[in-house]
Amino acid sequence: KNEVEQSPQNLTAQEGEFITINCSYSVGISALHWLQQHPGGGIVSLFMLSSGKKKHGRLIATINIQEKHSSLHITASHPRDSAVYICAVALWGSQGNLIFGKGTKLSVKP
Amino acid sequence: SQTIHQWPATLVQPVGSPLSLECTVEGTSNPNLYWYRQAAGRGLQLLFYSVGIGQISSEVPQNLSASRPQDRQFILSSKKLLLSDSGFYLCAWSEGQGANQPQHFGDGTRLSIL
Repeated sequence: KNEVEQSPQNLTAQEGEFITINCSYSVGISALHWLQQHPGGGIVSLFMLSSGKKKHGRLIATINIQEKHSSLHITASHPRDSAVYICAVALWGSQGNLIFGKGTKLSVKP
Repeated sequence: SQTIHQWPATLVQPVGSPLSLECTVEGTSNPNLYWYRQAAGRGLQLLFYSVGIGQISSEVPQNLSASRPQDRQFILSSKKLLLSDSGFYLCAWSEGQGANQPQHFGDGTRLSIL
């Protein structure tokens, strides 16, 4: 069993829909990261959180430490949101070494 | 502002040839530095990380090595490439004490081994 599990693996949505991507982990962590990878491969860090909720524009990330679960929400989705969204956790006591989920490929249709 | 440069963007190498990928960071000092690999159809995996000059930690046994000759320079190398070394390689940095710091990624190098 992977230490970081994401669901769904693939997601197709219509423009304007509310999207949720889930991430569960089985290890002790100091922080959880949500990353966005575009088709060319480049990766952008969206959020880093260790508790509660963060919001940036149409993106919202939440984490429940007790349940070892995080969600990434996209409101009013747009075709430019199409990308692979990756959840990664920094192990407790590490130097920020990340363990990655396999990613969720999101495609938003106009 | 801080920037990270990684090159080359793409590379095609024959099996058995050497490899050197370079990553440099500007606008910060004593960063934590990381090399990741994404094999085809698989998730990202940490290969090496460094918390200071000459300090390298390896996460997985492999055909590759890393060096940090200067504070903001991180090099990924191999003496003889294998087919299994193909993949997308990403360099990243974070502020020192990096466990609770965001990581900033380079644009990546797509390596194809023939």
